[in-house]
Amino acid sequence: QLQLQESGPGLVKPSETLSLACTVSGDSIRSSSYFWGWIRQPPGKGLEWIGSIFYSGITYYNPSLKSRVTMSVDTSRNQFSLKLNSVTAADTAVYFCARHLTAAGYNCFDPWGQGTLVTVSS
Amino acid sequence: DIQMTQSPSSLSASVGDRVTITCRASQSISTYLNWYQHKPGEAPKLLIFAASSLQSGVPSRLSGSGSGTDFTLTISSLQLEDFATYYCQQSYSSPWTFGQGTKVEIK
Repeated sequence: QLQLQESGPGLVKPSETLSLACTVSGDSIRSSSYFWGWIRQPPGKGLEWIGSIFYSGITYYNPSLKSRVTMSVDTSRNQFSLKLNSVTAADTAVYFCARHLTAAGYNCFDPWGQGTLVTVSS
Repeated sequence: DIQMTQSPSSLSASVGDRVTITCRASQSISTYLNWYQHKPGEAPKLLIFAASSLQSGVPSRLSGSGSGTDFTLTISSLQLEDFATYYCQQSYSSPWTFGQGTKVEIK
């Protein structure tokens, strides 16, 4: 059964870089033609798609965050990662990773990790 | 970006009730609409994709319908495990966007 688990610091200082990793278990990150995505949820707010990456390194990002986001894949660790630079309090959120399915043009996220809370504060 | 609006934002219902949640897109999205369930502390779960296709393992008391701009998630007979927050998500065009959520609470 495919499982995803987010990891990384729970506290980041303003103006610094938020770095998270998502470890995939139960399947190889490169064994299937899937994208892998990041989604976040600020406290009391809705879900926001951040971006997605293919195992080959192809990425596409939400334009609202594109200037600050970098995603990468480490196939040797079966992980993909998120970096968000120049963070502010508005970046405080629960960050989820998920498999991004694109079959027949239908884009959906399944399964998801449980999420990790990242707080931006000095 | 396509805006997704859910209603209501929350509702109270009893076990056995029929529950309907509505999602409206700011432009036509054909049937490019997914539904998720999220319980606190758990991973969100895909319930329905392509507006009406039930994901494997999801009970048949859940169903989705709609096309264009108006969509519905229906739970025919609410069970204890259905108390959660539900989100719609459009998959018509990037950036993929979600509704603000509908919290289903116990009455």
